[in-house]
Formats: sequence, C-alpha cells, structure tokens
Amino acid sequence: ILNVEQSPQSLHVQEGDSTNFTCSFPSSNFYALHWYRWETAKSPEALFVMTLNGDEKKKGRISATLNTKEGYSYLYIKGSQPEDSATYLCAFMGYNNNDMRFGAGTRLTVKP
Amino acid sequence: NAGVTQTPKFQVLKTGQSMTLQCAQDMNHNSMYWYRQDPGMGLRLIYYSASEGTTDKGEVPNGYNVSRLNKREFSLRLESAAPSQTSVYFCASSESLPGTTDTQYFGPGTRLTVL
Repeated sequence: ILNVEQSPQSLHVQEGDSTNFTCSFPSSNFYALHWYRWETAKSPEALFVMTLNGDEKKKGRISATLNTKEGYSYLYIKGSQPEDSATYLCAFMGYNNNDMRFGAGTRLTVKP
Repeated sequence: NAGVTQTPKFQVLKTGQSMTLQCAQDMNHNSMYWYRQDPGMGLRLIYYSASEGTTDKGEVPNGYNVSRLNKREFSLRLESAAPSQTSVYFCASSESLPGTTDTQYFGPGTRLTVL
C-alpha cells in the first residue's frame, strides 16, 4: 500500500502571510512527485513535477522542495493572496508503477 | 482547445441502474485515466489506458468497466450502480505512457449520486 499523507488537512491564513504544507510519501522506490493546485469547481492543474532529491522548483510566489531520502516534500507560498485559495494535492509515483497515488490534499483559505 | 471534457456534469441514479460517463480530449494524448474522488481521500485511479485498444486496472476497478473507443475518447461504465459508487469522477489525459513524469490534464468532473 502506498500511503501519501498531506498535512495539515486545512489551513486559514491572512492575506500577506507566508505559509507551507507537507506531503509525505514512501521513501523507497521513488520516481517522481507531482504537485497540483485545485480550485473549487475547477479541474486540478499541475504546478510542479519533481524527480531529484534536493530539487527545488519555483513558480511565482509558490515554491516546492523535495527530500526523497526521508520521503517528504514541502510547498511554500510567499505573501499569500486570496486567489491562492485552493486545495493543493501531491501525487507520488514509484518505479514500476503506472499510476500516481494522490494525497487527500491541503485546503488553503486566504482571507483578505 | 477544449482540453479534457466530460459528460454529464451531474447524474443521479437508482441502485442497480447503469450508465456511461463520457470523456474526450483534443490534445492528441496517448494515455487517459479515470479517477474517483471521495471526501477526505485523494484521487484514486479506477482504470487507465496507455493507447487505443488497451486498458488496465488501477487501484479501485471493481464495479466499473472502461472502453478506449479511439485516441480521443475513454468511457467509464457502471453496469449496476451501488450507493458506494457515489463520488465525483474525473477523467485525465497525458501525452506519454503511464509511469512517466508527464503532467496529467484533468476534466471538470462528473458528480454522481446513487440512491
């Protein structure tokens, strides 16, 4: 069983706050980790694909880091804005697996 | 480009009824996927298709059948719906084969309720 855990389950921050949340995944057999952003009533949209230990990806105010040896990835949002409100999903892919295993997501609400 | 489209958006069934969820993509992608999303759980893969004419089981295939009609279309069929199949269903596609690092592109979802 491939357990992908995300914490916290939900998060409320004020506009301008910086925030971060965690995705934990099996440290063995790692192949790739995806982060998706999912706004209410829309489809999940890809943010990052990370494959190497120590990877750091950035898109605007959002960045992510990857530690494959200990099995976690952090997603950071700097200076949160109300439009950042969404559920952030991570998905783990192992070697010899043809499917991605998704975490349950972290639901972020940014208050103006 | 419309991307990934799904029909219907909403559906209510009675236990034992059958229905087919339709999915189409216009990105010329090779692989297509069906997921279900339940409260408090991540997206779980039902079936996927690496190419026209091929399908494979995912994590939760029981109670479902799929058909990859052509490169564009991938349908999901519930032969005898059960309340446990109440969920939101998402179709997705990716350019390369499953098991690669390709991004998956998702449709808008179908909300299914089985009474």
